[in-house]
Amino acid sequence: AQSVTQPDARVTVSEGASLQLRCKYSSSVTPYLFWYVQYPRQGLQLLLKYYSGDPVVQGVNGFEAEFSKSNSSFHLRKASVHWSDSAVYFCAAPWAGGADRLTFGKGTQLIIQP
Amino acid sequence: DAGVTQTPRHEVAEKGQTIILKCEPVSGHNDLFWYRQTKIQGLELLSYFRSKSLMEDGGAFKDRFKAEMLNSSFSTLKIQPTEPKDSAVYLCASSPRGATGQLYFGEGSKLTVL
Repeated sequence: AQSVTQPDARVTVSEGASLQLRCKYSSSVTPYLFWYVQYPRQGLQLLLKYYSGDPVVQGVNGFEAEFSKSNSSFHLRKASVHWSDSAVYFCAAPWAGGADRLTFGKGTQLIIQP
Repeated sequence: DAGVTQTPRHEVAEKGQTIILKCEPVSGHNDLFWYRQTKIQGLELLSYFRSKSLMEDGGAFKDRFKAEMLNSSFSTLKIQPTEPKDSAVYLCASSPRGATGQLYFGEGSKLTVL
């Protein structure tokens, strides 16, 4: 069965610093992979997606993620964070029962310090 | 275009009451999902519709949870009877045909059961 693990429940970064949020997936096949972001009191929004091809995918607001088959990972990165990036970030992948529905990691809360 | 609309945004219920949450998906979207979000469990899939047909009825949630799609632009989630453990944010999402994993979420309905 496919699952998604985000090992860090909370990450604190200083404004202007670089960021990496970790995501590990378990799957016997190369999956589709997604990062979603949830700002306070809002629903989730798609940040970026990986289907195939170039392992580095670009998203909105300067975010990018890198797929690694050897490490079963799909880490999210940003070169310089802004206070407005404070949110909860979710990694997601289609679940084993069907590619048309997603299973989500537990999320990583990103806190930006001034 | 209007996004996913969920009502009510907040609901407080007594144990044993019947609650109906409502969702209007993005116009033209083919798939509709109901998720439950809690801090401990994260996002859990409750129901999934494709072209108004029920594809996933939530497994462990079948007992007291019933989602319906009355037409392509309106869905309800009924919880009957409510229990305190149902306190959570209920998220509705829709997705266009062929866009695997690209979900558009509403802002959620926060349910508190006393």
